[in-house]
Amino acid sequence: QKEVEQNSGPLSVPEGAIASLNCTYSDRGSQSFFWYRQYSGKSPELIMFIYSNGDKEDGRFTAQLNKASQYVSLLIRDSQPSDSATYLCAVRNNAGKSTFGDGTTLTVKP
Amino acid sequence: DAGITQSPRYKITETGRQVTLMCHQTWSHSYMFWYRQDLGHGLRLIYYSAAADITDKGEVPDGYVVSRSKTENFPLTLESATRSQTSVYFCASSDRISGGERQYFGPGTRLTVT
Repeated sequence: QKEVEQNSGPLSVPEGAIASLNCTYSDRGSQSFFWYRQYSGKSPELIMFIYSNGDKEDGRFTAQLNKASQYVSLLIRDSQPSDSATYLCAVRNNAGKSTFGDGTTLTVKP
Repeated sequence: DAGITQSPRYKITETGRQVTLMCHQTWSHSYMFWYRQDLGHGLRLIYYSAAADITDKGEVPDGYVVSRSKTENFPLTLESATRSQTSVYFCASSDRISGGERQYFGPGTRLTVT
């Protein structure tokens, strides 16, 4: 079992829809959870981070964390074509090391 | 300009040669990381450093060597390059803030080993 697993995708949604990206992790000692966006040929950039159970909202993005279920998700509301990218889930353990999932590729169709 | 830079951006080398990838950051971040990203996959940690002269292995350290004599520099050396090391290499840095560890990534180095 991989330490961090994401929906393999690709995920395709129409413009204006909600995109839902999911991530599960195996280390119960994980402390911090991150969502990075990576455009093709570019480096990852941070979108959201969350430490506590519940929801965290930032504009059109909402991160949700459920430590009991070892599950973190990212919702993108009112999806735009510019949101088309690969989204990487990263989990940091209490030793300070981050583990990344393989990513989910999202395509938003106009 | 402030930020994190990597050089070279592209490199083609032959099997068995030694290659060094450079990483430089201007934020004085304490943590620096090296990842490799293979086509269609996420990032795998090679080595990381918590401060100057402190380094530790990540998930896939075999065949790589790092050093960190200065806070701002974190070079990665492939001692004897192999085809399996063909990949995109990302350097990242971070500074612990409120218990978190947001990482800032460099532009990447695309390495091809022939």
